[in-house]
Amino acid sequence: DGGITQSPKYLFRKEGQNVTLSCEQNLNHDAMYWYRQDPGQGLRLIYYSQIVNDFQKGDIAEGYSVSREKKESFPLTVTSAQKNPTAFYLCASSIDMIRGEKLFFGSGTQLSVL
Amino acid sequence: GNSVTQMEGPVTLSEEAFLTINCTYTATGYPSLFWYVQYPGEGLQLLLKATKADDKGSNKGFEATYRKETTSFHLEKGSVQVSDSAVYFCALRVNNNDMRFGAGTRLTVKP
Repeated sequence: DGGITQSPKYLFRKEGQNVTLSCEQNLNHDAMYWYRQDPGQGLRLIYYSQIVNDFQKGDIAEGYSVSREKKESFPLTVTSAQKNPTAFYLCASSIDMIRGEKLFFGSGTQLSVL
Repeated sequence: GNSVTQMEGPVTLSEEAFLTINCTYTATGYPSLFWYVQYPGEGLQLLLKATKADDKGSNKGFEATYRKETTSFHLEKGSVQVSDSAVYFCALRVNNNDMRFGAGTRLTVKP
C-alpha cells in the first residue's frame, strides 16, 4: 500500500539533545511538509520541500532542520535550540506544490521532553 | 494574512443528531477551502473541498458550502454516527502556497 510512514511513534528528548524524526513516502510525490500540532493551535508549518535537494522555512522553522537528499525521505531534526519541543509532529506530502490541494499525512510522532 | 478560525470544541452529540462546525476565513486573494478529519491515532485526511464561491463540497454525508459573502465554510451533517468521532480541521490555500489550518474541533458522538 502506498502511503507515508513516520517513525518512531513516540520519542523522548533529553535537554541539550538533538533528535531526528523520520518520514518516508512511497507515493512518488515531489512535495513534502512538516507540521507541528499543539493543543488548541492547529497545525503550524515548520519546513517544506518542493523537490529533492531543496527546502524552505515555514512559519516556525527556528530550532529545526531538515534535509531532502532522496525523493522519498524528508527527516526532521529537532535541535537543542528548540526550547519547547513537546508536540505532535506530522509529516505530509502532495503530488507537487501546484497540485498541493490534497495532502497525504503520516500518523505522526509524539515528542516529549524528559 | 491568510487564516481560518473555527469554533472551539469539544462538541458532544448523540447519535443521529445534526452537526454544524463553524469555520470562517480571512484571505488575500481567492482561496480554496477544505475540511480535513483526524481519526484517533491517525494523521489527517481530506474530507471535502470547494475551490470557488458557491461551490458545495460533500463526502460521507458531510457538506460545506463556500460562502464568499460571509467568508465562511461551515461543515454540516444531518445525522452523525459514533464512527464520526474525530477532530475536524478547516483549512485554506491561496494560489499555490502552503495549506493553512484552523485549530481543530473535537467531535464526540455518543450512542
